[in-house]
Amino acid sequence: GENVEQHPSTLSVQEGDSAVIKCTYSDSASNYFPWYKQELGKRPQLIIDIRSNVGEKKDQRIAVTLNKTAKHFSLHITETQPEDSAVYFCAAAAGNKLTFGGGTRVLVKP
Amino acid sequence: DTEVTQTPKHLVMGMTNKKSLKCEQHMGHRAMYWYKQKAKKPPELMFVYSYEKLSINESVPSRFSPECPNSSLLNLHLHALQPEDSALYLCASSQLGTGNTDTQYFGPGTRLTVL
Repeated sequence: GENVEQHPSTLSVQEGDSAVIKCTYSDSASNYFPWYKQELGKRPQLIIDIRSNVGEKKDQRIAVTLNKTAKHFSLHITETQPEDSAVYFCAAAAGNKLTFGGGTRVLVKP
Repeated sequence: DTEVTQTPKHLVMGMTNKKSLKCEQHMGHRAMYWYKQKAKKPPELMFVYSYEKLSINESVPSRFSPECPNSSLLNLHLHALQPEDSALYLCASSQLGTGNTDTQYFGPGTRLTVL
């Protein structure tokens, strides 16, 4: 089955700096890569996603890149703000089956 | 209605109890999911229903029994659980059915404690 590795497990940045989270996946059949943000005690919320026919996607301060050949994808958050502090999960999907990475706890220090 | 809802928010049960978790969506989504999330871990897929039929069971113990009475409702029946089953149980839904990759929207979860 699919295996998704996510790094780093924790990330501390100064407000205004950029944050980068990296994931790798194993199953070449995976064709959809969402990123979820989960605040303490809350549901996972989709923040951005990318499909395998696209190399990069941007939404305001958030961008995601995908390298299908290397089976890598990354989340970039620019101009971080304290409200960006949360746990971020990458995921890879083939059909209905979504496999999550281990998560990255991001702390944005004011 | 653009949300997935779950009841109850919290549930405490003994190992001999029978209880049920409920999930509802009114977005016309054709696939619904149950996930289990332990503290500081990612959600783990348990079951997938597509067009009200069970399409994926991730080798979940039989003490967890899913049910999809109609296209908007998903239940998870619990019986003879163990303390290690204590976790946040998340429901999700997506627009497309089996074999189609689509965004999954999560409910707020039910925090289950088994004593």
